[in-house]
Amino acid sequence: DIQMTQSPSSLSVSVGDRVAITCRADQSIAGYLNWYQQKSGKAPKLLIYGASSLQGGVPSRFSGSGSGTDFTLTISSLQPEDFATYYCQQSYSTPYTFGQGTKLEIK
Amino acid sequence: EVQLVESGGGLVQPGRSLRLSCEASGFTFDNYAMHWVRQAPGKGLEWVSGISWASGNIDYADSVKGRFTISRDNARNSLYLQMNSLRVDDTALYYCAKPKTATPGSLDSWGQGTLVTVSS
Repeated sequence: DIQMTQSPSSLSVSVGDRVAITCRADQSIAGYLNWYQQKSGKAPKLLIYGASSLQGGVPSRFSGSGSGTDFTLTISSLQPEDFATYYCQQSYSTPYTFGQGTKLEIK
Repeated sequence: EVQLVESGGGLVQPGRSLRLSCEASGFTFDNYAMHWVRQAPGKGLEWVSGISWASGNIDYADSVKGRFTISRDNARNSLYLQMNSLRVDDTALYYCAKPKTATPGSLDSWGQGTLVTVSS
């Protein structure tokens, strides 16, 4: 199975901050990397697919980059509604493993 | 509008069985693979199982292989997860999820989840 490691596991940030979350695969997954946002008590929401493609309806302050084993989710200017937990997921091969999550908290 | 509605969760004793259902609407169900993803209380997401549109390809996480069976009924627009020999660590909120058309593992629609609690 492909192991996905996110960092950091939590981050204290302020509205307006630029935020970067990284995700590393233990083998190459080309560009088969997705990012999800999950708010408390809600189902996950797809933000980025194929490492860098923005899902429809997702604000342009979210962006994704990377290929191979190293990936980054960037939020250019954090908004109040962005405080949530973010997960990466590889869709290169089953089982489609997720990272352990990164929780954004208000500083 | 895509809708996925899970049902069938509940409290069950270790070793017993439970069958989850997911009713889909708002899209052409038999054009898509479908997946189950779970989330233990306070924990992260774990992909559980996936099934291709015609049930020809089926995969499971190692943690459930041999105990869980995924299936679908395209005539009923429904996805199922038969869970046998349940263990305490199967306790989780179980989501069904639909992938994007051209990127099979990118899950763009999720249900609200159904809670499975395994406890004596």
